[in-house]
Amino acid sequence: QLVQSGAEMKKPGESLKISCKGSGFSFTSYYIAWVRQMPGKGLECMGFIYPSDSYTTYSPSFKGQVTFSADKSISSAYLQWNSLKASDTAMYYCARPSGAGTYHEGFDIWGQGTMVTVSS
Amino acid sequence: EIVLTQSPGTLSLSPGERATLSCRASQSVSSRYFAWYQQKPGQAPRLLIYGASSRATGIPDRFSGSGSGTDFTLTISRLEPEDFAVYYCQQYDNSPPVTFGQGTRLEIK
Repeated sequence: QLVQSGAEMKKPGESLKISCKGSGFSFTSYYIAWVRQMPGKGLECMGFIYPSDSYTTYSPSFKGQVTFSADKSISSAYLQWNSLKASDTAMYYCARPSGAGTYHEGFDIWGQGTMVTVSS
Repeated sequence: EIVLTQSPGTLSLSPGERATLSCRASQSVSSRYFAWYQQKPGQAPRLLIYGASSRATGIPDRFSGSGSGTDFTLTISRLEPEDFAVYYCQQYDNSPPVTFGQGTRLEIK
């Protein structure tokens, strides 16, 4: 399973790092995806990280806006913002593509989501 | 980037009826790299179908997927009350980026 950190309320300009901890599978054998869902809207895949070597790939819309990282020693992946905007308000999910070593698979395990609210 | 367009936006049906949801891609997608998800309010999405037609673990056989190229379909043969939710299609062929459709809301008539 994937277990995410709790809801966050932040002000514009603040920094934030949320987490996603895996268990029950070999965390270093699978990519982890980050998916954004803005209030009342659909799903957007932000990109992937491979915790084994911290290789990252970002969807064009999110490149330069966020940073993915991982700590394989504790089976955790992270999503970080250096300067939050109101438009970052959304639910953020981590998810696991079902095939080891590839992100060309459906996402069979999802975290419960972390709600990030950015408001002055 | 491959754009996925789902139709209809909202589908109103009664329990026991058959539901047909469509997803059209802006360019050809290998059926191997196509999936469907169900999302209920307050919950994370759940993988229903992968490889366009294979059911994920634990998914009832009333759910089926078909299609190839640019046109894909999710069919629910006989709707159960728990099937009313939002459904998303996804392609992971030409990625990054992985893209999702905008969703179809299946509501009780």
